[in-house]
Amino acid sequence: RKEVEQDPGPFNVPEGATVAFNCTYSNSASQSFFWYRQDCRKEPKLLMSVYSSGNEDGRFTAQLNRASQYISLLIRDSKLSDSATYLCVVNAGSARQLTFGSGTQLTVLP
Amino acid sequence: EAGVTQSPTHLIKTRGQQATLRCSPISGHTSVYWYQQALGLGLQFLLWYDEGEERNRGNFPPRFSGRQFPNYSSELNVNALELEDSALYLCASSFLPVYEQYFGPGTRLTVT
Repeated sequence: RKEVEQDPGPFNVPEGATVAFNCTYSNSASQSFFWYRQDCRKEPKLLMSVYSSGNEDGRFTAQLNRASQYISLLIRDSKLSDSATYLCVVNAGSARQLTFGSGTQLTVLP
Repeated sequence: EAGVTQSPTHLIKTRGQQATLRCSPISGHTSVYWYQQALGLGLQFLLWYDEGEERNRGNFPPRFSGRQFPNYSSELNVNALELEDSALYLCASSFLPVYEQYFGPGTRLTVT
């Protein structure tokens, strides 16, 4: 089983749609959780950190369920510029090593 | 504030040669991480340096090595290059004890 699993997609949604991505992780000792976005052939950029009860940043909402070892990202009112690959990232304790999911590809269509 | 910088942007080497990649972290960040992203694949953790010491390494052979300098910049060395080493090499930095890592634009290494 992969340490961090994501639905690879692709998700093709119209502008203005709401889209949700899910991610599961296998290491129950994981302490930190993040969503990054990566545009084609570019570096990953931090989108959001996800803490305890989850958090919201504008159109983006991240949720964490430690009991189910599950993280989600909700994007409301999708924009064309949201088209990217979204990476679920987990840090398992003192090793400070981030483990990346394989990413979910999103294309927002006009 | 300047982000993480990496050099060179592109590097072309032949099989068996050595490659040296460089990274400068965000000012104030003490930890530097190296990742490999082969075409179409996910990011694989290579190495973590903090305060000049190697703190952790991923599942890569010893020919992948590096170091961190007193100014916290870092170098990744890949010896005896193989064709499958062709990839985007990403450097990230973070400020302890904060866990967020910020990535540089990467060095695209091509081995022919």
